[in-house]
Amino acid sequence: GENVEQHPSTLSVQEGDSAVIKCTYSDSASNYFPWYKQELGKRPQLIIDIRSNVGEKKDQRIAVTLNKTAKHFSLHITETQPEDSAVYFCAASIGDSNYQLIWGAGTKLIIKP
Amino acid sequence: NAGVTQTPKFQVLKTGQSMTLQCAQDMNHNSMYWYRQDPGMGLRLIYYSASEGTTDKGEVPNGYNVSRLNKREFSLRLESAAPSQTSVYFCASSTRDRGPGYTFGSGTRLTVV
Repeated sequence: GENVEQHPSTLSVQEGDSAVIKCTYSDSASNYFPWYKQELGKRPQLIIDIRSNVGEKKDQRIAVTLNKTAKHFSLHITETQPEDSAVYFCAASIGDSNYQLIWGAGTKLIIKP
Repeated sequence: NAGVTQTPKFQVLKTGQSMTLQCAQDMNHNSMYWYRQDPGMGLRLIYYSASEGTTDKGEVPNGYNVSRLNKREFSLRLESAAPSQTSVYFCASSTRDRGPGYTFGSGTRLTVV
């Protein structure tokens, strides 16, 4: 079946440094790629998303890049802050579905003071 | 504006007991979803409802049933709970027009003993 692989599973960076999380998907028909942030004991929250007709999208300190040929996309967080500590999930639409996503297993991001 | 509201927040069941998890959204979203989240496995879709009056199976539907009561409410029922159903359950909703970008409820932590 279709899947999304996410790496690394844990990422520890110094406060102020950049963090990059990478995901690879298998369904070449996927056209929507969101990223969610989940703080401990809280619900996942959408932080940024990208569609397949765009190669890069930025929102302040976060950005997502998409390489459709290689079927991978990445989350970039610059100037990391303590409040960035959380688990980050990537996801990809199942085909061009408006309803279903397949999820990565998550990356625990730790920001060291 | 409450967003997506789930009840209960915590529940302990004995094997074989039944229960219904309730979910309601006040954002006039067309689509609603039930996910389960297990440690290290990300989010897995149980059932979804693309619109009022329709429901479809997701990745892990066995042992569950759902009801889309109206546009606002989408319930998940466990008919005969098993320890393998111990998990955190999230309800979510989305507007079809924006693709499957979800708004999640706060979750139900279910333990089956």
